[in-house]
Amino acid sequence: EAGVAQSPRYKIIEKRQSVAFWCNPISGHATLYWYQQILGQGPKLLIQFQNNGVVDDSQLPKDRFSAERLKGVDSTLKIQPAKLEDSAVYLCASSLGPGASTEAFFGQGTRLTVV
Amino acid sequence: KQEVTQIPAALSVPEGENLVLNCSFTDSAIYNLQWFRQDPGKGLTSLLLIQSSQREQTSGRLNASLDKSSGRSTLYIAASQPGDSATYLCAFNNDMRFGAGTRLTVKP
Repeated sequence: EAGVAQSPRYKIIEKRQSVAFWCNPISGHATLYWYQQILGQGPKLLIQFQNNGVVDDSQLPKDRFSAERLKGVDSTLKIQPAKLEDSAVYLCASSLGPGASTEAFFGQGTRLTVV
Repeated sequence: KQEVTQIPAALSVPEGENLVLNCSFTDSAIYNLQWFRQDPGKGLTSLLLIQSSQREQTSGRLNASLDKSSGRSTLYIAASQPGDSATYLCAFNNDMRFGAGTRLTVKP
C-alpha cells in the first residue's frame, strides 16, 4: 500500500514570494491533515479536512495561508506572501476518518526555508 | 480542544535500560490515542494505537497504556537500543494535536 506522498521535499524561497505544497493521501482516506513543524517543536495542526470539507482551521494563519482539497483526494497548501518565520517542515497526514481503529499516517514532509 | 503534555522533554539512557515516556491530556472523553516516533528530518511513524475501550496495547518491545481517569498514557520501552533514539509523540485521533514530544537518546 502506498503511503502519504508529499512534494516537493525541499523548497527555498525569498521572503514575500509564494509557495505551494502538494499532498496525496493514502487511497480511501477521507481525513487529511496539514501540520507546520518548526525545528525543536511538535507538529502544529494547521487544517483538517474531512473529504473536501474543512473540519478545523482554527490555527491556520488565514491572512497568508490557504489550503484546498477540491475533489476530496489530494490537497495543496499555499503560503502567500512567505515570511522568514514560515521556515519549517510542512507535514501531511491522512486517516480513514474519525472513529475507532483509525490510525493516522504521515508523509515525509516538505522542508521550507525562507531567506 | 485537547491539550497534550509530554514529560520529560528529553531523556538519555544507556543501552539495555527499560524506560517510560509519559503523555498527559486534559480531555478524558472517549477517544483513541496514537503514539508516534519521529526520526530527525523525517515524518512521523505510527507505533501503537490504543482504542478508547482498551487499557493497553503491545507491539514487540513497546507497551502503551491508557488511563483516562488520571488523564495519562505511558509508553514503556523494554531493553532500549540505540535505534530507539528518536522523538516520541502522542495524539488523540479526534483532533490530532501534539505536544512537543520527548526526545530520547539511547547511548551504546
